[in-house]
Amino acid sequence: KNEVEQSPQNLTAQEGEFITINCSYSVGISALHWLQQHPGGGIVSLFMLSSGKKKHGRLIATINIQEKHSSLHITASHPRDSAVYICAVTIQGAQKLVFGQGTRLTINP
Amino acid sequence: EAGVAQSPRYKIIEKRQSVAFWCNPISGHATLYWYQQILGQGPKLLIQFQNNGVVDDSQLPKDRFSAERLKGVDSTLKIQPAKLEDSAVYLCASSTGTRLTGYTFGSGTRLTVV
Repeated sequence: KNEVEQSPQNLTAQEGEFITINCSYSVGISALHWLQQHPGGGIVSLFMLSSGKKKHGRLIATINIQEKHSSLHITASHPRDSAVYICAVTIQGAQKLVFGQGTRLTINP
Repeated sequence: EAGVAQSPRYKIIEKRQSVAFWCNPISGHATLYWYQQILGQGPKLLIQFQNNGVVDDSQLPKDRFSAERLKGVDSTLKIQPAKLEDSAVYLCASSTGTRLTGYTFGSGTRLTVV
């Protein structure tokens, strides 16, 4: 079993829909990251969380440390949000990222 | 602030050939990472440097992969000889090394071994 699990693996939605991507982890962490990867491979860091909630534009990330769970929400989704969204955690005591397998999001116009 | 620079962006080689990738991290970032991302999977750490020293290379296939970070700045990752299963995107990332900062990733090098 992977230390970081994401769901769903693939998600297709219509423009304007509210999107939720989930991430569960089984190890002690010092931070959780949400990353966006577009075709071509480059990765952009969206959020780094150690508690609570963060918001940036239409993106919201939450984390529940007790339940070892995080969610990434996208409001008013748009085709340009189509990408792979990756959850990653920084292992407690080590400056090292462990990645989930990613969620491929497709937003249709 | 300039990002993490990687080159080349794409490379196609035949199996058993050698290949090298280059990474220039963000200025001042002490920690540098090389990741391998096979299609459909999340990135897997190959090697982590702290300045010019290796912190973690436990998942680096040392019989064919090597990496160095001379002078604690730029880094190169080499594969010799390449196998078909090495086809992947090779990502470089850097961070300041404290948990309060995020990571910055390069655009990656897409390697195809034929």
